[in-house]
Amino acid sequence: DARVTQTPRHKVTEMGQEVTMRCQPILGHNTVFWYRQTMMQGLELLAYFRNRAPLDDSGMPKDRFSAEMPDATLATLKIQPSEPRDSAVYFCASGLGAGGGETQYFGPGTRLLVL
Amino acid sequence: KQEVTQIPAALSVPEGENLVLNCSFTDSAIYNLQWFRQDPGKGLTSLLLIQSSQREQTSGRLNASLDKSSGRSTLYIAASQPGDSATYLCAVRGNSNYQLIWGAGTKLIIKP
Repeated sequence: DARVTQTPRHKVTEMGQEVTMRCQPILGHNTVFWYRQTMMQGLELLAYFRNRAPLDDSGMPKDRFSAEMPDATLATLKIQPSEPRDSAVYFCASGLGAGGGETQYFGPGTRLLVL
Repeated sequence: KQEVTQIPAALSVPEGENLVLNCSFTDSAIYNLQWFRQDPGKGLTSLLLIQSSQREQTSGRLNASLDKSSGRSTLYIAASQPGDSATYLCAVRGNSNYQLIWGAGTKLIIKP
């Protein structure tokens, strides 16, 4: 049963610390999305990769967030330095397609709390 | 700018009832529309994807319809069960952008 995995599932950290979230997309999928979900804003797209290339990261605060795909089996989202307003659930999703209109398969999320 | 609205925000019905969840969007130039389910503390699960050229999609007890001209989609759940309790989100993808625009969701509670 192929699925997207994310680690860690939960993270509590102090303001100013670096946070790294990892995602393993479904094998064979060529698109990866990073989302952030909060009660106030709902789901927000942070970054989008196709064939490991970043196509859009306009949703990310560039001064503190960075997203990479070191290889086809790993996507990372880093926050440095973290701030309390970054507290949210971060989802990774993967899909197979060329235009981004394909079905997206979501991971279970990383629940981040920045104190 | 595309906006997606879901009404109602919450719905509670007895088990066994048929129900309809609504999703409306402001720009009819869409590529597709998807319905997702989110269980508490979990990720999202794609339920149905309707391409812009389609009018409906069915999966088991779920049926989703799409009316682009009126900017509406409905998710019909037949013979509801307590296990259907979750938040249901719809998301629209436009023709010129890969991004999904999300509704705020409808929280559904099915009472045994």
